[in-house]
Amino acid sequence: KQEVTQIPAALSVPEGENLVLNCSFTDSAIYNLQWFRQDPGKGLTSLLLIQSSQREQTSGRLNASLDKSSGRSTLYIAASQPGDSATYLCAVRRDQGAQKLVFGQGTRLTINP
Amino acid sequence: NAGVTQTPKFQVLKTGQSMTLQCAQDMNHEYMSWYRQDPGMGLRLIHYSVGAGITDQGEVPNGYNVSRSTTEDFPLRLLSAAPSQTSVYFCASRRAAHNEQFFGPGTRLTVL
Repeated sequence: KQEVTQIPAALSVPEGENLVLNCSFTDSAIYNLQWFRQDPGKGLTSLLLIQSSQREQTSGRLNASLDKSSGRSTLYIAASQPGDSATYLCAVRRDQGAQKLVFGQGTRLTINP
Repeated sequence: NAGVTQTPKFQVLKTGQSMTLQCAQDMNHEYMSWYRQDPGMGLRLIHYSVGAGITDQGEVPNGYNVSRSTTEDFPLRLLSAAPSQTSVYFCASRRAAHNEQFFGPGTRLTVL
């Protein structure tokens, strides 16, 4: 059974720092991995999607990497801003036809001005 | 595009009451699904649909029904609400040939 873990559960850093969020999964047979952002009381916003054949994806100040063989993904946030404060979730899909995303518990990120 | 929309945003029910959570998407996505989010449990798949007229169960389907009569709409019905169904419910959709999943804003449900 696939399990997805995000450590730490919470992270607090000063504004302007570069930071890395971690996501690990137990079964390396994944089709893709998606990173989401969730603001308090809101829905999930898709940030980046990495296919299993890719090593990384970039969007603005965000860079997500994938090492399928070791069961790990990282989300790198450059020059953090208070507006980046949110919970970040990663989720994996087993294969193209699979409907279920297996989610981690998330990392709650606070950027201090 | 409005994306994925859900109504209502908040709902309080008494045990035994029934209700329908509405979900609609205007992106012509073939696949739609319902998740619930609970503290310590993360997001879990309730039901999903791969097209109009086709639905199937996810991880936690008991106590919920779904139907998909159109591509756009995918309502979730609670037949007889129980306190264990207190949760935040998210509807999601994606294209069959594309894997990025889009989520709605959620419905926060409390069952007393």
